Amino acid sequence: DVKVTQSSRYLVKRTGEKVFLECVQDMDHENMFWYRQDPGLGLRLIYFSYDVKMKEKGDIPEGYSVSREKKERFSLILESASTNQTSMYLCASSTSGTGYREKLFFGSGTQLSVL
Amino acid sequence: DQQVKQNSPSLSVQEGRISILNCDYTNSMFDYFLWYKKYPAEGPTFLISISSIKDKNEDGRFTVFLNKSAKHLSLHIVPSQPGDSAVYFCAASLAGGNKLVFGAGTILRVKS
Repeated sequence: DVKVTQSSRYLVKRTGEKVFLECVQDMDHENMFWYRQDPGLGLRLIYFSYDVKMKEKGDIPEGYSVSREKKERFSLILESASTNQTSMYLCASSTSGTGYREKLFFGSGTQLSVL
Repeated sequence: DQQVKQNSPSLSVQEGRISILNCDYTNSMFDYFLWYKKYPAEGPTFLISISSIKDKNEDGRFTVFLNKSAKHLSLHIVPSQPGDSAVYFCAASLAGGNKLVFGAGTILRVKS
């Protein structure tokens, strides 16, 4: 089974702190994604990466950055956490190729609270 | 502006009956559609998909219908089971694209 592991299930941080969310996948997938899930808004794409050291902005990249130094690891960074970044963060991965790239495998999520 | 809309936040169905979850989209360039299912405290999992060249795809109790002219798709679950109670997300992908656009989700409750 594909496993996507997110380092923390719950995280509480203070406004202005730098926050790192880590994600590791074990299936050698090329593509990795960070989404946030908010009630009534569904899943919104923050950043994604097709390959090591490559990244592309999603729909809501403001206030976030990412790092992909190794194929299996994709980190989301909140440079200066704000209360409106309180959310459920979901990491996902997929392999490339027609019919496969859209089939995402998700981690269990990190519920981040910024106080 | 949400390009993928699930207008029903929740749906309650009796066990054994049919569940119909609906999804509308605005971008005619979407060419691949998927449904994901999410249980509490877990990440979403892929359920079923359909290409824009088809109008129906079936997998066991789950069938997805696509009406391109209406920009509408629906997920049918027959018969519904209590274990189907979850949040269902509709998602769409642009041709040649690698990212999905998700709807807001519909909470399905199947009562026994």
